[in-house]
Amino acid sequence: SSELTQDPAVSVALGQTVRITCQGDSLRSYYASWYQQKPGQAPVLVIYGKNNRPSGIPDRFSGSSSGNTASLTITGAQAEDEADYYCNSRDSSGKHVVFGGGTKLTVL
Amino acid sequence: QVQLQESGPGLVKPSGTLSLTCAVSGGSISSSNWWSWVRQPPGKGLEWIGEIYHSGSTNYNPSLKSRVTISVDKSKNQFSLKLSSVTAADTAVYYCARDQYYYGSGSYGIYFDYWGQGTLVTVSS
Repeated sequence: SSELTQDPAVSVALGQTVRITCQGDSLRSYYASWYQQKPGQAPVLVIYGKNNRPSGIPDRFSGSSSGNTASLTITGAQAEDEADYYCNSRDSSGKHVVFGGGTKLTVL
Repeated sequence: QVQLQESGPGLVKPSGTLSLTCAVSGGSISSSNWWSWVRQPPGKGLEWIGEIYHSGSTNYNPSLKSRVTISVDKSKNQFSLKLSSVTAADTAVYYCARDQYYYGSGSYGIYFDYWGQGTLVTVSS
């Protein structure tokens, strides 16, 4: 079982805003990072640290955190944003890495 | 631009040992990074297997620790994964990735900035 909990599925209307959340005790101590994965492809980093986007990631992707919950927000979701999204962080011991179970985002 | 490439057998027999190598190009494995293995069973989520530093220091997922060995070959700029006593539950796409750290006010985070394309390993007789 994962120490990070994500909703299995979320949907959003095209052009609207969606928030994907990740909960876990370790998030009180460590930043989360977020990955987008499309079918048959390797995960792609979209957000890391407090709210940092790697080069090439659109600015409609943003991250935030409060208490034991990290959030990935997509402002103005596009059809190409339909994918699985995973959060990850250190675990509570600080020695290991954990991933959330993933959230399947559907853009309607 | 760092690139990672996994290689190894795509089919392993039950009770055997899975062996994969990740070749690193465009950067040195002796840089100040850790290097990880992550796997994904078909239709399921991501699972971190473990990580290694160029010094040979390792951290392993507690659920796999008894069966996992990760090693590094600095002369070949690559690192490797061995998973012993495999069963069908170990069938997965295996990825190698580079660890990075973000340091903020009073905290830090780990993230994977470069990934290999992944290789499917099937455990079957």
